[in-house]
Amino acid sequence: NAGVMQNPRHLVRRRGQEARLRCSPMKGHSHVYWYRQLPEEGLKFMVYLQKENIIDESGMPKERFSAEFPKEGPSILRIQQVVRGDSAAYFCASSPETGGEQYFGPGTRLTVT
Amino acid sequence: GDSVTQMEGPVTLSEEAFLTINCTYTATGYPSLFWYVQYPGEGLQLLLKATKADDKGSNKGFEATYRKETTSFHLEKGSVQVSDSAVYFCALSAQAAGNKLTFGGGTRVLVKP
Repeated sequence: NAGVMQNPRHLVRRRGQEARLRCSPMKGHSHVYWYRQLPEEGLKFMVYLQKENIIDESGMPKERFSAEFPKEGPSILRIQQVVRGDSAAYFCASSPETGGEQYFGPGTRLTVT
Repeated sequence: GDSVTQMEGPVTLSEEAFLTINCTYTATGYPSLFWYVQYPGEGLQLLLKATKADDKGSNKGFEATYRKETTSFHLEKGSVQVSDSAVYFCALSAQAAGNKLTFGGGTRVLVKP
């Protein structure tokens, strides 16, 4: 049973470009969480999604960031017009149910030049 | 809101030494408590958890006890190995908050031979 997969593992973007981060949850998991880890800091919650629904986006910046989890395919975290402050590691976690244990992917390390 | 405070690192130890990482939390209700470990360049792995007061989580020689009266969940290991070198994160989740994880800042542990 494959674990949570994220791609790309490393992503370099110039300021003003768009970044798309993908997360494929574990088989049978319909809940996805996205977290951001800034350098030398802990992880901060961004958004919680179930299939086709955003449940909690209280941690998402109000502008430039969006997330989706379609009926088919991976969850996508999209950052428009990236800035240097967006450089971070972005982790997703999946869970089989509400309140279930969260399993983390290896992360996508975004560098904005 | 919910928060987690853990001791800052780095913590440098010799092999076979005793390890303690302090963690305290603030939360409404009765959260579940977790310790995650992050090895260099990797995602987070769940190390242990406790879901109610006085529960003791244990795994790979690590232990932590859920202390409601002191709102603490300190991590301990009696005899560390070089392979325990990693960053350790204390976290909580609350059902009322959609079970998103709130993390402490992380503690880097370096074990020297």
